[in-house]
Amino acid sequence: GAGVSQSPSNKVTEKGKDVELRCDPISGHTALYWYRQRLGQGLEFLIYFQGNSAPDKSGLPSDRFSAERTGESVSTLTIQRTQQEDSAVYLCASSFQTNNEQFFGPGTRLTVL
Amino acid sequence: QKEVEQDPGPLSVPEGAIVSLNCTYSNSAFQYFMWYRQYSRKGPELLMYTYSSGNKEDGRFTAQVDKSSKYISLFIRDSQPSDSATYLCAMSPVYNNNDMRFGAGTRLTVKP
Repeated sequence: GAGVSQSPSNKVTEKGKDVELRCDPISGHTALYWYRQRLGQGLEFLIYFQGNSAPDKSGLPSDRFSAERTGESVSTLTIQRTQQEDSAVYLCASSFQTNNEQFFGPGTRLTVL
Repeated sequence: QKEVEQDPGPLSVPEGAIVSLNCTYSNSAFQYFMWYRQYSRKGPELLMYTYSSGNKEDGRFTAQVDKSSKYISLFIRDSQPSDSATYLCAMSPVYNNNDMRFGAGTRLTVKP
């Protein structure tokens, strides 16, 4: 069966531009997570969606970051006015419900020049 | 001080060696301890998890938790070149929720 997919796989952008990253979770998974993985650092939690509940945005590092999810399917992470420190791999994960195993996508590698 | 500390390596061993990967942590509220394997250009995949202290074995892999020392380990026996990957520890007060804290990962290379 299909796993979590993310697009694009790589994104190079100029400082100050906006970028949009997409995540397609496993069908039927109600929970969806976004993480940031900087070089040499652990995964940082960004945002969490569970069903129709209000998302947990507590990990978003600034108001330049936002995310949306359409029902229990696709999610997009938007970074406005990108900065060089935003360069990282952005990983999406989904799980059947909260407190179930998270399945990760391959990530989007973002490079801000 | 980071909540979870993990030596980034890199670690290089010959095929067949026993590998020991470790993490230390500071938050005594952590109850669940996970190990993920991440191949290059892929997302992490869950290898094993343990609850509270003790050992857990799965094939060539053994996970060990010592809560009194706030120290966890992953042992790989008879290591294979296919084990070459980055290994991340993760831990949380509740299993697999949005409160997981990850180590930086240890890059392992097993040479044939």
